[in-house]
Amino acid sequence: DAGVTQSPTHLIKTRGQQVTLRCSPKSGHDTVSWYQQALGQGPQFIFQYYEEEERQRGNFPDRFSGHQFPNYSSELNVNALLLGDSALYLCASSAGTQETQYFGPGTRLLVL
Amino acid sequence: AQTVTQSQPEMSVQEAETVTLSCTYDTSENNYYLFWYKQPPSRQMILVIRQEAYKQQNATENRFSVNFQKAAKSFSLKISDSQLGDTAMYFCAPTSYDKVIFGPGTSLSVIP
Repeated sequence: DAGVTQSPTHLIKTRGQQVTLRCSPKSGHDTVSWYQQALGQGPQFIFQYYEEEERQRGNFPDRFSGHQFPNYSSELNVNALLLGDSALYLCASSAGTQETQYFGPGTRLLVL
Repeated sequence: AQTVTQSQPEMSVQEAETVTLSCTYDTSENNYYLFWYKQPPSRQMILVIRQEAYKQQNATENRFSVNFQKAAKSFSLKISDSQLGDTAMYFCAPTSYDKVIFGPGTSLSVIP
């Protein structure tokens, strides 16, 4: 049973560019949450998708957007990248919005 | 939970000994749940244990157990018979209206 997968594993972008990160949830899970983890800090909640809609959102600007597909996979898009967007981006999936979240390995984004 | 405090940024424990990691949080909710996650140096976030706030009985998972004090908003993690593989960052993560809020983490080192 495959766990949560994320792609790519690493990414280097320059300021002002746009980036798309992808996540496939664990089999049987229908809810996907995204987190940003800066170096040395705990993850910060970005948003959560359920039934292809954004259900919850953390304190992140509109430059951060997402999408969930009918197969429950999800994308995180970040526009107009800033140096401060450099972080590990974690995807977590769960079987419902109030169930335990299981994390993927993350995508390391470096903005130069 | 709007804020999560883990007052021990770093801890160490001898192999086979017991260690307790502390966590306090702030919430106005009555029904919520709490997690401890570990993140080894490989950075894959792994669920350690889950506790429902409505349950009086403390959760136990093999060598891991919690001391949940709802009135005090305290949620500590006890690791018994510490093993080298327990070396990791440990995050206390209560929910807030279905969003998981992570603390700053405690870096635990298990010494041979």
